[in-house]
Amino acid sequence: DAGITQSPRHKVTETGTPVTLRCHQTENHRYMYWYRQDPGHGLRLIHYSYGVKDTDKGEVSDGYSVSRSKTEDFLLTLESATSSQTSVYFCAISEVLVNGVNQPQHFGDGTRLSIL
Amino acid sequence: GQQLNQSPQSMFIQEGEDVSMNCTSSSIFNTWLWYKQDPGEGPVLLIALYKAGELTSNGRLTAQFGITRKDSFLNISASIPSDVGIYFCAGRGAGGFKTIFGAGTRLFVKA
Repeated sequence: DAGITQSPRHKVTETGTPVTLRCHQTENHRYMYWYRQDPGHGLRLIHYSYGVKDTDKGEVSDGYSVSRSKTEDFLLTLESATSSQTSVYFCAISEVLVNGVNQPQHFGDGTRLSIL
Repeated sequence: GQQLNQSPQSMFIQEGEDVSMNCTSSSIFNTWLWYKQDPGEGPVLLIALYKAGELTSNGRLTAQFGITRKDSFLNISASIPSDVGIYFCAGRGAGGFKTIFGAGTRLFVKA
């Protein structure tokens, strides 16, 4: 799966608790992304990173923060989880070619998060 | 924001039949992508299209980048049971890396 590892793969937690999901890549790609997948919505971008310590918001960023201290790791944190954040979370990576073309994203296998 | 309309939402077909699904957008895209997702796994890239009018095949799969740059279709010929899954279209604008995804087409194949 393009050298992407997400952890944990499954998590059940309670409302109000902090949660951190980890994405680790071995491809040395510049761009990393966090998506959530919900029925009827496809994949929606939460946050993305275009380099170490360089991150920006996606379309559904409220309630989420991210950090990227190393090229290979991109962390997604829910500071105080809510039931509406129950979802499947996917990490993706991509690289930019020397001609500036951004290659298609490749995805990890997801983290299923349930917030009770 | 940008949205992709993917249809149909689901399809129930017999093994051996051909399948067609499409995506339309109100915005112009410079790249169209098609992914397949199996249960419990992440989406896997099937075909990438970079030019308007481009027609690209990957085995039994064929996808086209619409001339208007606002649509794309994916055809699967002679479907087999392992084609079961969710197929997503995705579009990307000029100079961008942000990718917009359709809601998916869920394909069921009866042997």
